[in-house]
Amino acid sequence: DAGVTQSPTHLIKTRGQHVTLRCSPISGHKSVSWYQQVLGQGPQFIFQYYEKEERGRGNFPDRFSARQFPNYSSELNVNALLLGDSALYLCASSLGTLGENGYTFGSGTRLTVV
Amino acid sequence: RKEVEQDPGPFNVPEGATVAFNCTYSNSASQSFFWYRQDCRKEPKLLMSVYSSGNEDGRFTAQLNRASQYISLLIRDSKLSDSATYLCVVNEPGGYNKLIFGAGTRLAVHP
Repeated sequence: DAGVTQSPTHLIKTRGQHVTLRCSPISGHKSVSWYQQVLGQGPQFIFQYYEKEERGRGNFPDRFSARQFPNYSSELNVNALLLGDSALYLCASSLGTLGENGYTFGSGTRLTVV
Repeated sequence: RKEVEQDPGPFNVPEGATVAFNCTYSNSASQSFFWYRQDCRKEPKLLMSVYSSGNEDGRFTAQLNRASQYISLLIRDSKLSDSATYLCVVNEPGGYNKLIFGAGTRLAVHP
């Protein structure tokens, strides 16, 4: 069975540009969450989506947005990129919203903003 | 105060050693606790959940002390392949699942 898949794996963008990152959850998982991990830190929560609705939002500016599609895949969009947005963006899926059994992460998208 | 705090290490230990990592969390209402392992430039992978009664998985033992808001991970008989960053993770209580990660503890096992 395929795990959580993310695309692209690597991306280089210029300051001010826009980026869209994509995630497909494990088959049967309805919840997708997005995390940002900057070098030397643990991942930080950005969004959680369940059944196409936003269920939670972390402390990120409005430049960050996301959505979930009927097939439970998800997109993370970041506008007006800043150098500080350079990070590993991780997508995680779980069956339900509470994730009592932890999350399975995709291999991430490494974004570099220059 | 950080929500989840860990000693960043690195812990440099020889093969066969026993090593323990500790973690504290700030939200006493937290209900779920995990240890994740992250290899260099890879995604975090769930190592084990942590239960109040303590739990063991092979060479790995996790303990939770709710009164002290303290979580630990013990690795016995360290292998070279255990070299990684170990992330302490707490599930923030609420109507949705928000994992709060510590910054991680680096472990380097040498021959």
